[in-house]
Amino acid sequence: KNQVEQSPQSLIILEGKNCTLQCNYTVSPFSNLRWYKQDTGRGPVSLTIMTFSENTKSNGRYTATLDADTKQSSLHITASQLSDSASYICVVSATGANNLFFGTGTRLTVIP
Amino acid sequence: DARVTQTPRHKVTEMGQEVTMRCQPILGHNTVFWYRQTMMQGLELLAYFRNRAPLDDSGMPKDRFSAEMPDATLATLKIQPSEPRDSAVYFCASGLRLLAGGPYEQYFGPGTRLTVT
Repeated sequence: KNQVEQSPQSLIILEGKNCTLQCNYTVSPFSNLRWYKQDTGRGPVSLTIMTFSENTKSNGRYTATLDADTKQSSLHITASQLSDSASYICVVSATGANNLFFGTGTRLTVIP
Repeated sequence: DARVTQTPRHKVTEMGQEVTMRCQPILGHNTVFWYRQTMMQGLELLAYFRNRAPLDDSGMPKDRFSAEMPDATLATLKIQPSEPRDSAVYFCASGLRLLAGGPYEQYFGPGTRLTVT
């Protein structure tokens, strides 16, 4: 069964600290993996998209990694800011079928 | 600053009423996606169009939901009749392939928050 699981479900960190969010998937055949940031009351915004051949991609203070062998991805946030408070959603696409599989997200709260 | 627009932003209606949500994709994007988001289920893909043709609507309850793209500047999602379980935020996203054969970069609209009482 194609599934995407994210952990932790929620996370609270101090401003300036780093954190890592996890995404494990069982989607096959794998096409690509996306991380989205969703602020409360807004639509998701794409942070990174990684295909099978990519194992790391950065977007400013956000760095995503992908291990296609273990079917795991992580999103690392460096030097967190209050504006990083949001839900982070992992989405995995299967090849050919145009199917998207969504994680339920990690709710990150950055406190001063 | 090109962005996806959605109307209305909020809609409260009674069970049994028809609801129409509209989306204006970013000019030049040839793919439009409709999503639904609830606290319990998270994000779900309902349907998507490429070059105005429906490619996949398998995520949509066909008996009451319909999606159309009458022209390149307008996509609609209609629910008739609406039910309380349809209460959710409905997002439209328009997309563009980054590379030939590669994944779509999707740009989401602000969503329509639907409440069916």
